[in-house]
Amino acid sequence: EAGVTQSPTHLIKTRGQQATLRCSPISGHTSVYWYQQALGLGLQFLLWYDEGEERNRGNFPPRFSGRQFPNYSSELNVNALELEDSALYLCASRPTRSGELFFGEGSRLTVL
Amino acid sequence: SQQGEEDPQALSIQEGENATMNCSYKTSINNLQWYRQNSGRGLVHLILIRSNEREKHSGRLRVTLDTSKKSSSLLITASRAADTASYFCATDPYNTDKLIFGTGTRLQVFP
Repeated sequence: EAGVTQSPTHLIKTRGQQATLRCSPISGHTSVYWYQQALGLGLQFLLWYDEGEERNRGNFPPRFSGRQFPNYSSELNVNALELEDSALYLCASRPTRSGELFFGEGSRLTVL
Repeated sequence: SQQGEEDPQALSIQEGENATMNCSYKTSINNLQWYRQNSGRGLVHLILIRSNEREKHSGRLRVTLDTSKKSSSLLITASRAADTASYFCATDPYNTDKLIFGTGTRLQVFP
């Protein structure tokens, strides 16, 4: 069974540009979570999608947005990129609202 | 703000020794989970302990939970060089349906 897959693995952008990151959850998982991990730091909760709807979001500005598609895959968009947006963006899925999260390998975004 | 805080931030030990990491959190929880992250990669789930459990074992891992003190500990026995990684606790607070991660402990095991 395929795990959580994320693309691209690496992405380099310049300030002011937009970045789009993609995530495919494990088959049968309806909940998708996005986390930001800045270098050497812990994970900060970004967004949670379940059954196609945004259920919760962390303390991030509105330029961080996303969506979940009917096949439960998800997209994270970051507009008007700033240098401090450089981080590892991790996607995770789980089959129910509780229990363990299954993580992808992440997308490393570098903003120059 | 982070729900969990791990202690210590970094830990260096020799192979064969035991490693203990602690996690403190702030609010009532459904469960607490521990994850491992190899350098710059995705996290891997290690163990989940529910709020009504006090201790749980999985292989060389032992987790304790004290809800009165809002704290948990992860013990790795007979450590190996391959255990070198960052370890995070994550809490599942009531009525939030999201996991909140701590700041992590970087464990280095020397051969």
